[in-house]
Amino acid sequence: EAQVTQNPRYLITVTGKKLTVTCSQNMNHEYMSWYRQDPGLGLRQIYYSMNVEVTDKGDVPEGYKVSRKEKRNFPLILESPSPNQTSLYFCASSRQGKGGGELFFGEGSRLTVL
Amino acid sequence: KNQVEQSPQSLIILEGKNCTLQCNYTVSPFSNLRWYKQDTGRGPVSLTIMTFSENTKSNGRYTATLDADTKQSSLHITASQLSDSASYICVVRSSSGTYKYIFGTGTRLKVLA
Repeated sequence: EAQVTQNPRYLITVTGKKLTVTCSQNMNHEYMSWYRQDPGLGLRQIYYSMNVEVTDKGDVPEGYKVSRKEKRNFPLILESPSPNQTSLYFCASSRQGKGGGELFFGEGSRLTVL
Repeated sequence: KNQVEQSPQSLIILEGKNCTLQCNYTVSPFSNLRWYKQDTGRGPVSLTIMTFSENTKSNGRYTATLDADTKQSSLHITASQLSDSASYICVVRSSSGTYKYIFGTGTRLKVLA
């Protein structure tokens, strides 16, 4: 089954404790991206990757890091989480080129930073 | 500035009624426009895709329209069901350089029995 898998789905942590949210897709998509969703603000892009070893900042990259060492994985790293990073996070992937572009989203990771 | 604006922000209708959601965009150059449905706490799922040359497309009870001249799209839901309660997000893909997705903030639809 084609899917985007995020882990963990729920996480409560404390300020400053480094954490990683994993994202994996099994569709051989070139494009992957991370979003955060906050009430009233919609989905905002954190980082995206056009292919392996190619990453770029989205609209709200501060406080986050990413890496794309393999095509299927795109982890989101919070080196020193702060309470303002409490949010619902989504990973998405898509095939690029003609006929592509539909974003396939994971089920989301709800993060609470105390 | 590339922007996507949706209206209304929220909408409450009775089961069986029709409704229309609006999306206006200022994205250029335009590649395509998709409507996504997002159930509470779940990831968005694509409903329809509209390209520059298409002006109407249906997916069951969902019908999307696109007017590329006025840069407006609408999503019409016919004979609404309780399961249509969700947020509907308009996403425009730009073809400028690296492909970029511009998201609307969504319309939250509530269907009441």
